[in-house]
Amino acid sequence: QVQLVQSGAEVKKPGASVKVSCKASGYTFTSYGISWVRQAPGQGLEWMGWLSTNNGNTNYAQKLQGRVTMTTDTSTSTAYMELRSLRSDDTAVYYCVRSDSGTYFYWGQGTLLTVSS
Amino acid sequence: ENVLTQSPGTLSLSPGERATLSCRASQSVSSSSLAWYQQKPGQAPRLLIYGASSRATGIPDRFSGSGSGTDFTLTISRLEPEDFAVYYCQQYGSSPGTFGQGTKLEIK
Repeated sequence: QVQLVQSGAEVKKPGASVKVSCKASGYTFTSYGISWVRQAPGQGLEWMGWLSTNNGNTNYAQKLQGRVTMTTDTSTSTAYMELRSLRSDDTAVYYCVRSDSGTYFYWGQGTLLTVSS
Repeated sequence: ENVLTQSPGTLSLSPGERATLSCRASQSVSSSSLAWYQQKPGQAPRLLIYGASSRATGIPDRFSGSGSGTDFTLTISRLEPEDFAVYYCQQYGSSPGTFGQGTKLEIK
């Protein structure tokens, strides 16, 4: 069965960086892109960007340009999302999702990032 | 970007009743590339509907989607206790993909 397993919760100070991993199994990793979606406490869903697992191409949300990098390691079927210059409003649950032509049927379990001094 | 506005913000209904949730886009959604998700507390969202009207695998037929262009609707024909949750629409026809702000369906 398809699974996306994310790395554990993180606590970071403002200005630091975080790198969240998402290990895929149960399907051919390079056949589907991976998107990242975040959700601040009590808030809605925010699309962060998309990564092609086939060629590494990316498309980032404009508000995160320059602070986010999404990468992939096809040898381990793992996608990564790095966010830099963290601020308190980056506190959120971060989800990786398998992109099926833009729809999200398979979700990771979420990674809670807390940014606090 | 294509902004999605969901209404109402909160919908209070009883089990057995019919629920109608609305999603309006600021620009036409190409190819009816609109999806609906259900989210319960502490859980990841679950895909219900894609392509505006196609049910995802395993979704009961009491859930249905309709609409095109800028106006879309999710209908739950007869509410079950497990349907009370937050619902989000998403458009994926243009970049960036965007989500609505959500409709909370609560028990009356």
